Amino acid sequence: DPKIIQKPKYLVAVTGSEKILICEQYLGHNAMYWYRQSAKKPLEFMFSYSYQKLMDNQTASSRFQPQSSKKNHLDLQITALKPDDSATYFCASSQDPGFNNQAPLFGEGTRLSVL
Amino acid sequence: GDSVTQTEGLVTLTKGLPVMLNCTYQTTYSPFLFWYVQHLNEAPKLLLKSSTDNKRTEHQGFYATLHKSSSSFHLQKSSVQLSDSALYFCALSSANYGNEKITFGAGTKLTIKP
Repeated sequence: DPKIIQKPKYLVAVTGSEKILICEQYLGHNAMYWYRQSAKKPLEFMFSYSYQKLMDNQTASSRFQPQSSKKNHLDLQITALKPDDSATYFCASSQDPGFNNQAPLFGEGTRLSVL
Repeated sequence: GDSVTQTEGLVTLTKGLPVMLNCTYQTTYSPFLFWYVQHLNEAPKLLLKSSTDNKRTEHQGFYATLHKSSSSFHLQKSSVQLSDSALYFCALSSANYGNEKITFGAGTKLTIKP
């Protein structure tokens, strides 16, 4: 059974619309992350959360907003979608931040296409 | 800031030959290195993680040694198989508490031919 669940697996959206990508992990991890993968940037770090607090944000645009309603949830809201946002979005988690020999575990990803 | 360099974008080899995928890094903090493998339409999965300086780490026939003197963590395998065809990422985490992110290299696509 997958330990990091991302929903939906595939998503098609129109330009200008808003979507929420869901991520839940059942590993008891305290740190969660979002990464984006496209042909232009293979694995691009977006956000990290630790104990439901934003720790790092490397996303230039405010159209991307992470939301953590529970410790094991980290959703990603994307507003005013653009075709350039088309990518696979991966959620990941690790036991704790700051324990730097921990490798994050990745979910299966949400493949977003913006038309 | 931290960075990871993978010099080969594409590597094509015949089955049974050895392979080395290069990875060098830059950080001002103590480094932890990882190799991830990503098969087509799948999530990246951890393949290896670094141990102490100059100590080899192995998994599933792949091995790598962290060399802090040259800031490198090259991935090797003595005899590649068809199933090794995938995208390989080198990743860096630095011992900088408060910098909770892993930095990935651009990836190397490995294709194995019969």
